[in-house]
Amino acid sequence: AQSVTQPDIHITVSEGASLELRCNYSYGATPYLFWYVQSPGQGLQLLLKYFSGDTLVQGIKGFEAEFKRSQSSFNLRKPSVHWSDAAEYFCAVGLILEYGNKLVFGAGTILRVKS
Amino acid sequence: DSGVTQTPKHLITATGQRVTLRCSPRSGDLSVYWYQQSLDQGLQFLIQYYNGEERAKGNILERFSAQQFPDLHSELNLSSLELGDSALYFCASSARLAGGPYNEQFFGPGTRLTVL
Repeated sequence: AQSVTQPDIHITVSEGASLELRCNYSYGATPYLFWYVQSPGQGLQLLLKYFSGDTLVQGIKGFEAEFKRSQSSFNLRKPSVHWSDAAEYFCAVGLILEYGNKLVFGAGTILRVKS
Repeated sequence: DSGVTQTPKHLITATGQRVTLRCSPRSGDLSVYWYQQSLDQGLQFLIQYYNGEERAKGNILERFSAQQFPDLHSELNLSSLELGDSALYFCASSARLAGGPYNEQFFGPGTRLTVL
């Protein structure tokens, strides 16, 4: 079955340090991949997406992600974390169904930023 | 602001009751999705509508139903509520299909349902 794994439930980084959030997916074809961020009390905001082409994709707020087919991974990175980045991050796979589509989400990674 | 609106923001009710959650998609979007976010199940897809028609169904309980109206807003009806239905319910919308076969989804702020 298709699944998305985010192995880290919590990550704590110092402000200004680099960040990498891991995401692995289980899906046969080339997946449609997304990273969303959820701040406390907020909805989900799309950070970036990968459909095809260049495997390094740039998103909003200085985030980037790299698709690695050989590792079935789509890790999210940021070179320098700001305190405002503290939130929960979700990796998702977009699946085409017979008549529609849906997103399958990972369990999420909570990012804490220490000053 | 994604352009997707959901009402109410919070809902507190008792077991056995019935509630209706409302969603207005972004202007021009024909697809509406409902997701449930709970501590034990995470974020799960419930159902998708496209231009008034049901298009995909996920882990939606028989006690739950949804519809999309001609003005494209959608409602999620939850009945015979149980404690375990307490969750954050998100609505998302996506554009009419054009270009690639997949369109990104834009999420509303959610409705937090508490069943006591």
